[in-house]
Amino acid sequence: EDQVTQSPEALRLQEGESSSLNCSYTVSGLRGLFWYRQDPGKGPEFLFTLYSAGEEKEKERLKATLTKKESFLHITAPKPEDSATYLCAVQARRDDKIIFGKGTRLHILP
Amino acid sequence: DSGVTQTPKHLITATGQRVTLRCSPRSGDLSVYWYQQSLDQGLQFLIQYYNGEERAKGNILERFSAQQFPDLHSELNLSSLELGDSALYFCASSVAGTRYPSTDTQYFGPGTRLTVL
Repeated sequence: EDQVTQSPEALRLQEGESSSLNCSYTVSGLRGLFWYRQDPGKGPEFLFTLYSAGEEKEKERLKATLTKKESFLHITAPKPEDSATYLCAVQARRDDKIIFGKGTRLHILP
Repeated sequence: DSGVTQTPKHLITATGQRVTLRCSPRSGDLSVYWYQQSLDQGLQFLIQYYNGEERAKGNILERFSAQQFPDLHSELNLSSLELGDSALYFCASSVAGTRYPSTDTQYFGPGTRLTVL
């Protein structure tokens, strides 16, 4: 069964304290892995799509990486405005269904 | 602003009632997806339409149905509502709906918050 697990569930960091969020996945043929940011009460905001193991993408303080079993979202020198829930999702090549993880709630303290 | 619009923003109704949620995709996007998000379940994929036809089905209850119209807007109909249907309902759209090697990067609307009393 295709599955996405994100860890940790919640993370509190001091401003400037770098860290990584993990997304472990099991899927029969990966078509794509997605990262989204979601603020409370709002729709998820697209961040990255990764297609194959070894791929990396960056955007401001965020960098996403992909292996055959997991993806990491690295946050460098975070600021309070980076506080949000970060969602990971995978799309299976077999049936194109997209499965979301439950997210990591990130809180950056000033 | 993702370009995806959803109406209404909030909806309060009673058990047993029926409601319709509306979604307009981004200009040029052919695929529309519906998701339900509750506190304990996270984002649950309900259904996808591509250019007017049902493309994929997720955990959608029989009491729920959807359709996509010729102008590509979509409606999600929820009937015989129960307390447990209270949730945020998101619509997303994407350009694709095509097969590999493209992927269906989705852009989400602001959501409709449904409260069933």
